Amino acid sequence: SQTIHQWPATLVQPVGSPLSLECTVEGTSNPNLYWYRQAAGRGLQLLFYSVGIGQISSEVPQNLSASRPQDRQFILSSKKLLLSDSGFYLCAWSNGGLSGNTIYFGEGSWLTVV
Amino acid sequence: DAKTTQPPSMDCAEGRAANLPCNHSTISGNEYVYWYRQIHSQGPQYIIHGLKNNETNEMASLIITEDRKSSTLILPHATLRDTAVYYCIVSPSGNEKLTFGTGTRLTIIP
Repeated sequence: SQTIHQWPATLVQPVGSPLSLECTVEGTSNPNLYWYRQAAGRGLQLLFYSVGIGQISSEVPQNLSASRPQDRQFILSSKKLLLSDSGFYLCAWSNGGLSGNTIYFGEGSWLTVV
Repeated sequence: DAKTTQPPSMDCAEGRAANLPCNHSTISGNEYVYWYRQIHSQGPQYIIHGLKNNETNEMASLIITEDRKSSTLILPHATLRDTAVYYCIVSPSGNEKLTFGTGTRLTIIP
């Protein structure tokens, strides 16, 4: 069966510090991968999605970046965090199948920038 | 640009059927209707999806109108654990990004 894991689950970072959130998927190959962010009390905002290694699409301008060094690994990074980067970050995957595109989410990572 | 419209909040009595509406008037012929829910502080959970026909699984039923411009998610016997934000999205098959709206906050009342 397929599983998705992301870490760390929670972190508190000072403004201006770097960020690295990691996500891995097991049990499938060539998945579509996504990073979403959810600010407190808000909906899910798509940040990045990837259909293959090295292929990243950015949905909103920001100081975050994403990389996909391996087929089932997706990393969210920042060189210098802002207060507005605080939120709940979710990694997700889908198989891009012809009978629909069901998306499966990880457990989420709570980021507080102080 | 989530392409769906949902009421921001709804209440339902425990044990009753919860009917959550969704409008997707600009849906394309190859787009599926998906429902997810998010319990506080967790990642969203897949519930059900459909293209044209009504669908049922162990969690819920999905009723899609004949013109496909709207749908209703039905939780037949709501429990307190069904309290969550419910998202309706439309998505084509294949390698397409999935965009979520703000969903409906469903509160089950004891």
